[in-house]
Amino acid sequence: KAGVTQTPRYLIKTRGQQVTLSCSPISGHRSVSWYQQTPGQGLQFLFEYFSETQRNKGNFPGRFSGRQFSNSRSEMNVSTLELGDSALYLCASSPGQPGKETQYFGPGTRLLVL
Amino acid sequence: AQSVSQHNHHVILSEAASLELGCNYSYGGTVNLFWYVQYPGQHLQLLLKYFSGDPLVKGIKGFEAEFIKSKFSFNLRKPSVQWSDTAEYFCAVRPSSNTGKLIFGQGTTLQVKP
Repeated sequence: KAGVTQTPRYLIKTRGQQVTLSCSPISGHRSVSWYQQTPGQGLQFLFEYFSETQRNKGNFPGRFSGRQFSNSRSEMNVSTLELGDSALYLCASSPGQPGKETQYFGPGTRLLVL
Repeated sequence: AQSVSQHNHHVILSEAASLELGCNYSYGGTVNLFWYVQYPGQHLQLLLKYFSGDPLVKGIKGFEAEFIKSKFSFNLRKPSVQWSDTAEYFCAVRPSSNTGKLIFGQGTTLQVKP
C-alpha cells in the first residue's frame, strides 16, 4: 500500500497570505489528523477528520481550518499567515475505529512564512 | 489537561551501550501508548505501541517498552544501540476511546557515536 502523501513538500509564503496543504491518506483509511511541528512547541495536534466531519480539535486559532472530501483526502488551510506559523505540518491517517488505532504519518509540508 | 513528559532532551551514547528513554504521562483514564522515531530527513515512523495486555511490548529494530500503569510510565529500551539509531524519539499518548489527537512529548534526540 502506498503511504500517506502530502503536497506540496515545501512552501514559502509571506505574512498575511493564506495557504492550503493537501493530504492523501493510506487507501482504506478514513481518519486524517493534522499536526504542527516546531522546534519550540514540538508536535501539536491541530484537528482530526473522519467521514468528512471534524471529530477532534486542538487548541489553535480559527485561522487554522480543514476539511475532508468523500475520498478521505484532506486539506488544511491557514489564513492570514503569521511568522509563527512557520513549521512542519504533518498529516497522519488511520482506519478510524476507536480502540486499536495506529496513526501513520506522511513526510510533511514545510511552510516558511517571511 | 493531558500531557506527556520525556525526561531526557538530548542523549549521547557510544555504540553497544544500553538505552533507556523515560516517558511519563498524565491522564486518569485508559490510554494507548506509542513511541515514534524520526530519523534525519525522514518522516515519523512507528516504533512500537501498547493497547492492552502484556505491559512489555516489543517493536522494530530491537526496541521494547514497558508500561507501568502505577507510575504512568512507558519507558523505551534497547540493550545495545547502533550508530543507525541516531534519531529523534517521541512518546505519544491517546485516550483509548479516542482515535485522533495524539499527545506527544517534547522528544529526545539520541546521538550514537560510532
